[in-house]
Amino acid sequence: DGGITQSPKYLFRKEGQNVTLSCEQNLNHDAMYWYRQDPGQGLRLIYYSQIVNDFQKGDIAEGYSVSREKKESFPLTVTSAQKNPTAFYLCASSRPGLAGGGDTQYFGPGTRLTVL
Amino acid sequence: EDKVVQSPLSLVVHEGDTVTLNCSYEVTNFRSLLWYKQEKKAPTFLFMLTSSGIEKKSGRLSSILDKKELSSILNITATQTGDSAIYLCAVVAYSGAGSYQLTFGKGTKLSVIP
Repeated sequence: DGGITQSPKYLFRKEGQNVTLSCEQNLNHDAMYWYRQDPGQGLRLIYYSQIVNDFQKGDIAEGYSVSREKKESFPLTVTSAQKNPTAFYLCASSRPGLAGGGDTQYFGPGTRLTVL
Repeated sequence: EDKVVQSPLSLVVHEGDTVTLNCSYEVTNFRSLLWYKQEKKAPTFLFMLTSSGIEKKSGRLSSILDKKELSSILNITATQTGDSAIYLCAVVAYSGAGSYQLTFGKGTKLSVIP
């Protein structure tokens, strides 16, 4: 089955630790995205990548880092520099990227990160 | 700063009613407007609008963009309980040097009661 997978579903982290969230897609999509969702805030774009080995900052990139070494994978690292990391994180992919106007984005099931 | 505002923030209707959800935006170098439906976790794509005045339709849902008024509406006719969800509006804008900005509104929570 084609789709986007995110793991883990729930993640707990101690303050001061880095943690990496996984996102994999087998849809052969060029573009991938990371969003953060907080209650009452809607979705906010953290990073996006329109092509392998290239990525761009979104609205709230501070305290996060990404890599795009393979088309299928776009892992997000939440670093200890991120002041308020507890949130629901969603990964998405699409055929063309934002340069194409956005197009249909397919979302993964999300990872809920809690910092203790 | 780019801004996307949705109204109302929440709405309760009875099955069979018609609803209109609003999205207004203030962005520089507008590229497109996107509508999503979020039921439990992952949003699902509904429409992408780039041209003013052209209605996009899918079953009981339709949407239209008004670039002059910097807004879009999403209409749902003959609502069903399965339409209960948060409806998200997002705007894509070109931010220069090959980069794009995607800004979401806070969403409209629609509840359809039998």
